[in-house]
Amino acid sequence: AQSVAQPEDQVNVAEGNPLTVKCTYSVSGNPYLFWYVQYPNRGLQFLLKYITGDNLVKGSYGFEAEFNKSQTSFHLKKPSALVSDSALYFCAVRVTTDSWGKLQFGAGTQVVVTP
Amino acid sequence: NAGVTQTPKFQVLKTGQSMTLQCAQDMNHEYMSWYRQDPGMGLRLIHYSVGAGITDQGEVPNGYNVSRSTTEDFPLRLLSAAPSQTSVYFCASSLTGTSNQPQHFGDGTRLSIL
Repeated sequence: AQSVAQPEDQVNVAEGNPLTVKCTYSVSGNPYLFWYVQYPNRGLQFLLKYITGDNLVKGSYGFEAEFNKSQTSFHLKKPSALVSDSALYFCAVRVTTDSWGKLQFGAGTQVVVTP
Repeated sequence: NAGVTQTPKFQVLKTGQSMTLQCAQDMNHEYMSWYRQDPGMGLRLIHYSVGAGITDQGEVPNGYNVSRSTTEDFPLRLLSAAPSQTSVYFCASSLTGTSNQPQHFGDGTRLSIL
């Protein structure tokens, strides 16, 4: 069975400082990994994905994520956080053998960026 | 191009009532799905569909029915509402069910069962 863990319920960071949101996964096969962001009263928006190839993936709004197979991690990063980055962030995984595309989500991490 | 549209945005029901949450997409996506979002639990898959006429159960299907008569629409039916079904419901779609494709989400339906 596949699972995703986001160990931090909330991450607090000052504007301009680096932001990291952690994600670890467990799958019986090769993973496809995703990050989504949710703003208040809105649906989830796709940020970036890892399919194969380069372990550093760049996505929307200046975010990037690093895939680490040995540590089974896919941490989301941004070099300089903005107040507008305050939102709920979800990591999600699919196994490559799952042709029906079922996503397994983590519990989410609330990011709070203070001015 | 509206993307994924969910109606209603808010709904309050009494225990035992039934209702249908509507979901429509205008992107000609084959794959559609329903999730519920509860605090501290992320999103959990209720039902999904890989094309018109084809549906299957997700992680938490009990108490819910779906059908897919057209590519565009994927309604979710609550047969007899229970307080445990109080949640935020999201519909999502992707071009196909291929595992490497991201999903597009609607803005959700906030449902309270009294």
